[in-house]
Amino acid sequence: EADIYQTPRYLVIGTGKKITLECSQTMGHDKMYWYQQDPGMELHLIHYSYGVNSTEKGDLSSESTVSRIRTEHFPLTLESARPSHTSQYLCASLGLAGYEQYFGPGTRLTVT
Amino acid sequence: AQSVSQHNHHVILSEAASLELGCNYSYGGTVNLFWYVQYPGQHLQLLLKYFSGDPLVKGIKGFEAEFIKSKFSFNLRKPSVQWSDTAEYFCAGFGNEKLTFGTGTRLTIIP
Repeated sequence: EADIYQTPRYLVIGTGKKITLECSQTMGHDKMYWYQQDPGMELHLIHYSYGVNSTEKGDLSSESTVSRIRTEHFPLTLESARPSHTSQYLCASLGLAGYEQYFGPGTRLTVT
Repeated sequence: AQSVSQHNHHVILSEAASLELGCNYSYGGTVNLFWYVQYPGQHLQLLLKYFSGDPLVKGIKGFEAEFIKSKFSFNLRKPSVQWSDTAEYFCAGFGNEKLTFGTGTRLTIIP
């Protein structure tokens, strides 16, 4: 089982709040990713990082931002949450060999 | 541009039936293909992967997939499904440092 963690697992917040979704991995992987997934739907890449101080926007436009100050940590921030941000957010890291991505358990976010 | 497409959105089978889920890809260059599974309430797990060599790859839990270059396909198969195979299945391809997912197929197994 991969060592990639996400907190919180579930979050219900009001509109306008600032939130940070945490993601960390202990495998020393350089490349990390954030996906957004609505229930029963496909995964959309919203951010990724090649390593420390590297962040890139993904295929799906997102109002969230990310940072990568440490290799093991890749948090995602929403400055002002809206109901349209309600979704599941999945974090992943890329293995050192074989291009296999390891996924965290996800954060299910509900904005009321 | 790279893309991955899955034909079936929802498949319903009885236990012991054979399974084949379609996946087609569009890639330039080296092809790295994957099947992931997401059981209800759990996170994505890798079922199997193809990079090169034998086009028939075997994964966990009795799943296998065949890479057919001429058809741009990487279909997932299992000869006899179980109720515990109920899950969402995603085909994916890796290129340009990113993994591109298909839309997913929901598999429901009826006991």
